[in-house]
Amino acid sequence: AQTVTQSQPEMSVQEAETVTLSCTYDTSENNYYLFWYKQPPSRQMILVIRQEAYKQQNATENRFSVNFQKAAKSFSLKISDSQLGDTAMYFCAFISSNTGKLIFGQGTTLQVKP
Amino acid sequence: KAGVTQTPRYLIKTRGQQVTLSCSPISGHRSVSWYQQTPGQGLQFLFEYFSETQRNKGNFPGRFSGRQFSNSRSEMNVSTLELGDSALYLCASSPPGTTFAGELFFGEGSRLTVL
Repeated sequence: AQTVTQSQPEMSVQEAETVTLSCTYDTSENNYYLFWYKQPPSRQMILVIRQEAYKQQNATENRFSVNFQKAAKSFSLKISDSQLGDTAMYFCAFISSNTGKLIFGQGTTLQVKP
Repeated sequence: KAGVTQTPRYLIKTRGQQVTLSCSPISGHRSVSWYQQTPGQGLQFLFEYFSETQRNKGNFPGRFSGRQFSNSRSEMNVSTLELGDSALYLCASSPPGTTFAGELFFGEGSRLTVL
């Protein structure tokens, strides 16, 4: 079975600092995609960043970057220069081209403090 | 371009009743998927529809069903409601050709409370 695990239920960071959210996953497949989604309080979920498993280069989107370790099945999200608007629940997610089902981790609630 | 629209946003039902939730995807998106979000179970995949056909299904009982219309709008129905069905139900649509790449655009959700 494919699973996604986020071991940090809650985290906090000071504004302008850097924070890393952890995610591990389990799959026997080779073709898959990994994502981080952000769900701000009472607002809709949006895609933060995406990583194709066949790409060795880590994805980067402005202040957001990932550390993708395929052999270790690890996919962490680094947020640099944290802003108050980054306060949200962050979900790590996995999808394989075989199943087409997006599997989410339990989420990490991140609070950015002024 | 309008985003994914879900109706109703909030609703309260009693055990044993049934409920229908509606989702209008972004114009041009043909894939619609549904997720159940609860504090205990997190986000769980319900089903996905593409061109009026259910393409994928999660591990939910038969009380949970859905359909998609020719204009890509989708509905999900839950019959014989149980207390545990209380949740935020999220709908997401994806652009053509990107479903397996997970380019999902989510609605704000329908919050169902079962009393």
